Amino acid sequence: AQSVTQPDIHITVSEGASLELRCNYSYGATPYLFWYVQSPGQGLQLLLKYFSGDTLVQGIKGFEAEFKRSQSSFNLRKPSVHWSDAAEYFCAVGFNQGGKLIFGQGTELSVKP
Amino acid sequence: GAGVSQTPSNKVTEKGKYVELRCDPISGHTALYWYRQSLGQGPEFLIYFQGTGAADDSGLPNDRFFAVRPEGSVSTLKIQRTERGDSAVYLCASSLGPTSANEQFFGPGTRLTVL
Repeated sequence: AQSVTQPDIHITVSEGASLELRCNYSYGATPYLFWYVQSPGQGLQLLLKYFSGDTLVQGIKGFEAEFKRSQSSFNLRKPSVHWSDAAEYFCAVGFNQGGKLIFGQGTELSVKP
Repeated sequence: GAGVSQTPSNKVTEKGKYVELRCDPISGHTALYWYRQSLGQGPEFLIYFQGTGAADDSGLPNDRFFAVRPEGSVSTLKIQRTERGDSAVYLCASSLGPTSANEQFFGPGTRLTVL
């Protein structure tokens, strides 16, 4: 069965520091891969997505993610975190047919001043 | 333009009651999805519609849950004989088409509390 694992439930980083959020997936082929952000009281917002091609993808708000097939990973990175990045981050996989998404359990990001 | 809207934003009900949750997708989006997000968890897929028909309802937990989209736009998620374990945020999303190549736009959710 397809699954998504985000091993870190909660991460705290200092403002200005770099960030990496981990995501591993289990699927027989290369799925479509997504990162979403959810701020308190806000809906889920798409940060970036990977379908094929260049394995390093750029997203909004200065985020990027790298797909590594050999590790079944799609880690999210940002070189310098801002206080406004504090939120819950979800990794998700999708499929060519049907469009439903399978989400990881999320990583809560706190930012220290 | 308007995004996905969901009503009500909050719903408190008693165990055993019937509830309806409404989703208004983005105009022109043919695909509509329902997810459930329990506290501390990621969204969990329930059902998706392509047009008026339910193309995949494999995520509905049991027959107390039912959803309709009679005119291919607004959708209603219906829960009969609610249980405390149904308490969660119910999210709706819509997209231009029924593949993951089309971005899903999420609504703010309906927080359901079953007492």
